Amino acid sequence: GESVGLHLPTLSVQEGDNSIINCAYSNSASDYFIWYKQESGKGPQFIIDIRSNMDKRQGQRVTVLLNKTVKHLSLQIAATQPGDSAVYLCAENIQDQGGKLIFGQGTELSVKP
Amino acid sequence: KAGVTQTPRYLIKTRGQQVTLSCSPISGHRSVSWYQQTPGQGLQFLFEYFSETQRNKGNFPGRFSGRQFSNSRSEMNVSTLELGDSALYLCASSRTGGNEKLFFGSGTQLSVL
Repeated sequence: GESVGLHLPTLSVQEGDNSIINCAYSNSASDYFIWYKQESGKGPQFIIDIRSNMDKRQGQRVTVLLNKTVKHLSLQIAATQPGDSAVYLCAENIQDQGGKLIFGQGTELSVKP
Repeated sequence: KAGVTQTPRYLIKTRGQQVTLSCSPISGHRSVSWYQQTPGQGLQFLFEYFSETQRNKGNFPGRFSGRQFSNSRSEMNVSTLELGDSALYLCASSRTGGNEKLFFGSGTQLSVL
């Protein structure tokens, strides 16, 4: 079936460190990418997005990098905090497919105080 | 502004029964998408509705169906429930559904016994 990203790995970091979460996508026709944060028992929460005409986009404490050559997406979280502990999901939107997102399996981020 | 609202929050059904889940999008949003989330398969796209019309459909059997009303509220129905239908069903809305962030509800946790 369609899929993007890795089979749920776990990333453990120390509070205050920077975190980097990676994601591989599969479709060259994808032109929009989103990162979501999902906490236990909740729906995915939007973090940051990037369009295919960009390589980098920054938000508050987060940066998304897009490498279209190798179909790779990454999310960098600066000064990681315990409240950042969650599952992080990358998603791609294929051009002209409306509101259909293809999600990766996600990465579980654990922040140690 | 109220977020995406899904009801009910939890459901327990038995095999062979049918179920209807409801989703109220953010005011002004005309696109509603449905996703199934399981530990093994992650988040998978079910279908998208825009202006009462199904615009996209994922790879799910015909037992899964949906509809959208003139006020953009949406329902999804699963008939002849199977054990494997146990999952978190998430609804997401956006203004137009094309290359823009989707806002998710908290989901309906369906357990099929």
